[in-house]
Amino acid sequence: AQSVAQPEDQVNVAEGNPLTVKCTYSVSGNPYLFWYVQYPNRGLQFLLKYITGDNLVKGSYGFEAEFNKSQTSFHLKKPSALVSDSALYFCALTNAGKSTFGDGTTLTVKP
Amino acid sequence: DTGVSQDPRHKITKRGQNVTFRCDPISEHNRLYWYRQTLGQGPEFLTYFQNEAQLEKSRLLSDRFSAERPKGSFSTLEIQRTEQGDSAMYLCASSLPQGELYETQYFGPGTRLLVL
Repeated sequence: AQSVAQPEDQVNVAEGNPLTVKCTYSVSGNPYLFWYVQYPNRGLQFLLKYITGDNLVKGSYGFEAEFNKSQTSFHLKKPSALVSDSALYFCALTNAGKSTFGDGTTLTVKP
Repeated sequence: DTGVSQDPRHKITKRGQNVTFRCDPISEHNRLYWYRQTLGQGPEFLTYFQNEAQLEKSRLLSDRFSAERPKGSFSTLEIQRTEQGDSAMYLCASSLPQGELYETQYFGPGTRLLVL
């Protein structure tokens, strides 16, 4: 069985500050890990992914994530948050075609 | 627009009725996925196709749910004898099985189902 945990329902940061949205996972074998973002009244959008290679992956809108195999984590980060980053963020794991999503973390960036 | 499209966007039905949803994936994508999402939860995997073959189906999916992708293009998801617990957003996604965009899923806007 595979699982994804996003331990924080909500993350609040001030604009210009760094942000981190946490994700941990459990799977047998090598994971394919993803971050998706959902803006109000819009569909899920791909942000970035880790398949193999460099543990630090860069994605859209200045986001990056670090794959840590020993800690089974894939935290999403951004050095300087924008108000427009406020949205619902999902971490996902894909293994043998089946995808498992976390329950999401609502990021609120305040001016 | 060449994204994933879903129809209808909203559906209200009475308990016990059958409903069918359609998903049109991005044209060159040969993988197609169905998910169910309820408020406060992440998308829950239902099933996926590679071309016309249904390769995986969630054990959580009851016999009232069936999905088809007869020609490897669009897909339909049917729910028979709907129950109030079926009320949710039904999401469709598609992806390529290889290349730089390997396993990256592109989601449609979803069909919101309300069972009265």
